[in-house]
Amino acid sequence: KAGVTQTPRYLIKTRGQQVTLSCSPISGHRSVSWYQQTPGQGLQFLFEYFSETQRNKGNFPGRFSGRQFSNSRSEMNVSTLELGDSALYLCASSLGSSGSTDTQYFGPGTRLTVL
Amino acid sequence: AQSVTQLDSQVPVFEEAPVELRCNYSSSVSVYLFWYVQYPNQGLQLLLKYLSGSTLVKGINGFEAEFNKSQTSFHLRKPSVHISDTAEYFCAVSQRGGYQKVTFGTGTKLQVIP
Repeated sequence: KAGVTQTPRYLIKTRGQQVTLSCSPISGHRSVSWYQQTPGQGLQFLFEYFSETQRNKGNFPGRFSGRQFSNSRSEMNVSTLELGDSALYLCASSLGSSGSTDTQYFGPGTRLTVL
Repeated sequence: AQSVTQLDSQVPVFEEAPVELRCNYSSSVSVYLFWYVQYPNQGLQLLLKYLSGSTLVKGINGFEAEFNKSQTSFHLRKPSVHISDTAEYFCAVSQRGGYQKVTFGTGTKLQVIP
């Protein structure tokens, strides 16, 4: 079974631009969660989608948004990029039916650099 | 609200020696507990999780962890480490009955010295 894939793996943008990251979950998984990982703040939860609906949300500004498609693939968008948005963005998928007991499977991440 | 504290940011240990990575959590409700490992330039991989039942949980790669409710701890142990265990380890917590909103600790870098 193929794992979680994230595209692109690396991205360089400038301040003020917007960016879209993509995540394809493991086949059969209906939940996709997004995390931001930085050296200073560690891993922080962004949001979770299940069956095309945002089911949970972390404490990030509205510039961070996401969506999920009917095939469970998910995209994350960051508008008006700031230098502090430079991070590794991780996507994790799970079956989603058992809530917080589900095992999450992580992708390799997208490394975003904002100049 | 919930939080996770990993007291040690880095732990050096000689190969074949035992290791313990410490994790303490805080939550107003019952929680599930997890340990993940992250190898360089890779995503996170689940080592083990505590949901209920026996407080001693065995995971992959010879790791185990013990849930201690009175001390709100979930320390990770391995009796004999290998060079390949060099990685960053994250303790995490999520609320019982809730959806996937996992809170991670800041991570502990385990450096195995040959």
